[in-house]
Amino acid sequence: GAVVSQHPSWVICKSGTSVKIECRSLDFQATTMFWYRQFPKQSLMLMATSNEGSKATYEQGVEKDKFLINHASLTLSTLTVTSAHPEDSSFYICSARDGGWVDPNEQFFGPGTRLTVL
Amino acid sequence: AQKVTQAQTEISVVEKEDVTLDCVYETRDTTYYLFWYKQPPSGELVFLIRRNSFDEQNEISGRYSWNFQKSTSSFNFTITASQVVDSAVYFCALSDATSGSARQLTFGSGTQLTVLP
Repeated sequence: GAVVSQHPSWVICKSGTSVKIECRSLDFQATTMFWYRQFPKQSLMLMATSNEGSKATYEQGVEKDKFLINHASLTLSTLTVTSAHPEDSSFYICSARDGGWVDPNEQFFGPGTRLTVL
Repeated sequence: AQKVTQAQTEISVVEKEDVTLDCVYETRDTTYYLFWYKQPPSGELVFLIRRNSFDEQNEISGRYSWNFQKSTSSFNFTITASQVVDSAVYFCALSDATSGSARQLTFGSGTQLTVLP
């Protein structure tokens, strides 16, 4: 149980285009989802926290107009990188917290999406 | 504010050697949770352990063991008889009350472990 999927697993796009990444909790309801960004050889940095049905909370320094997060259902959150540029190339990882019986201190991570902007 | 420090950026050992990965944390809260994750080259994070601040018992799971010491704010991870498959980046992380109900994780910078055959 407690599986989180991400789609796509990798994407290459041209500079200036927008890319949408999906994060799904497959067997539980995720009341809270998190989006992280990881540059090569660096740690995971939290970008934003999203709660189902409400606006995401962005970390300092993360442009909310550039990184659009939608958490419209208890099993799906999307991250859209708008007008992507080469500096947005990174590994994007989502995680989800179960709103049900599973310990709320547990976060389940998706496999990540590798974005390359040419 | 919470902080996690993994001072060892890279460690190389020869197979079958024991290796300890250090993790030091900072938090003002009395209730908090500590985690270790493994990130192999594929990138997917693998959960290894969670420990709450009220449980200082050391944990052993196969070749893995963890030493939690509140007195030194450390939560070190030891791999006994290392294997090549243990090669990965290992992250220590902290979740405390300042994270609010969201329970955000603060990650350390990670330690790249390379086990040589």
